[in-house]
Amino acid sequence: DIQMTQSPSSLSASVGDRVTITCRASQSISTLLSWFQQKRGKAPKLLIYGASSLQSGVPSRFSGSGSGTDFTLTISSLQPEDFAIYYCQQSYSAPRTFGGGTTVEIK
Amino acid sequence: QVQLQESGPGLVKPSGTLSLTCAVSGGSISSSDWWSWVRQPPGKGLEWIGEIYHSGTTNYNPSLKSRVTMSVDKSKNQFSLRLNSVTAADTAVYYCSREMTSVTGNPNDFWGQGTLVTVSS
Repeated sequence: DIQMTQSPSSLSASVGDRVTITCRASQSISTLLSWFQQKRGKAPKLLIYGASSLQSGVPSRFSGSGSGTDFTLTISSLQPEDFAIYYCQQSYSAPRTFGGGTTVEIK
Repeated sequence: QVQLQESGPGLVKPSGTLSLTCAVSGGSISSSDWWSWVRQPPGKGLEWIGEIYHSGTTNYNPSLKSRVTMSVDKSKNQFSLRLNSVTAADTAVYYCSREMTSVTGNPNDFWGQGTLVTVSS
């Protein structure tokens, strides 16, 4: 299985801050990487696919980058509704493994 | 837009079989997309269980493969999950989801609301 490692596991930030979350794969996955946002009690929501493509309807303050083994999710200006848990997931090979998650908390 | 709704017992006894169904609306299960199950134990992260195509082709997580069966019912536009020999470790919120094949990487774009299944006697 491909292991996905996210960092940090949690962070505290203020509204308006620029936030960066990283995800590292245990082997090259090309750009077959998605990012999800999950709020308490809700299903995950697709933000980014193909490492850098913004899902329809997702605000442009979210962006993704990377290829191979190292990926980044950036929120350019954190908004109150962005406080949530973020997960990366690889779709290069089955099983489609997720990262352990990054909790973004209010500072 | 596609909507998914999980259904099934919320309580399963240890050593029993967990059975869930995901009803698809707003789209056809016979489309070119794949359909998957993901679970999340309380307070923990996401685990991919497996995926199924309308032809019946499946891919399962090796960690669960010996206990998992997925199936499709085209007449009802739904797909199902069976997990046998369950233990308390299988207690989780179970999500069904669509894997969108029209873009690179087939990301999971639509998700059900999730259903909590508790394994307990």
